[in-house]
Amino acid sequence: DTGVSQDPRHKITKRGQNVTFRCDPISEHNRLYWYRQTLGQGPEFLTYFQNEAQLEKSRLLSDRFSAERPKGSFSTLEIQRTEQGDSAMYLCASSLGGDPGYGYTFGSGTRLTVV
Amino acid sequence: AQKVTQAQTEISVVEKEDVTLDCVYETRDTTYYLFWYKQPPSGELVFLIRRNSFDEQNEISGRYSWNFQKSTSSFNFTITASQVVDSAVYFCALSIGAGGTSYGKLTFGQGTILTVHP
Repeated sequence: DTGVSQDPRHKITKRGQNVTFRCDPISEHNRLYWYRQTLGQGPEFLTYFQNEAQLEKSRLLSDRFSAERPKGSFSTLEIQRTEQGDSAMYLCASSLGGDPGYGYTFGSGTRLTVV
Repeated sequence: AQKVTQAQTEISVVEKEDVTLDCVYETRDTTYYLFWYKQPPSGELVFLIRRNSFDEQNEISGRYSWNFQKSTSSFNFTITASQVVDSAVYFCALSIGAGGTSYGKLTFGQGTILTVHP
């Protein structure tokens, strides 16, 4: 197991286009989290899944954002009608149970640039 | 609501100097966890340490040490004899509760950019 994988690493898109990111968690981890990190700031929580159920969504997650985790394995985060303010690093993390300790692993992120 | 404040935006030191990164947190929960993460230029967040709210013992791991003081709601991080490889952004984070739906969600500070010059 090579940890949490995110694809793509970088994405440049034109304003108004839709984009989709993928996260593959560590295989035995049942919790999966999405965070957004803008330049010069710490990561901010967006949403998380326990298995395939989406249990919490931040108010940061507008109607243009949707996340799925079919079958409780990989997850996708889609942004529709992208805006320049969506430019950020999107980080995925996974953990076994909710313990934010030694099992809580982050991926390298997807950097989105909206032009 | 939880809040984590890292007042130092950037710190610059010369190699072999000691450096302390400050972290102050706010929460009404009595059970919580505090963390430090390192984010090198590659972007991946690297876990450094976790402390729970009932354990105020200071911890040392090699050149790293952490000072947790509930009385001042602080969880400071010291690097002794800093090295160029320590250059990175360091984040303090907080997670509340034990069990429940919010357990595991991290609230991060703004980060401190540490630059260690040779």
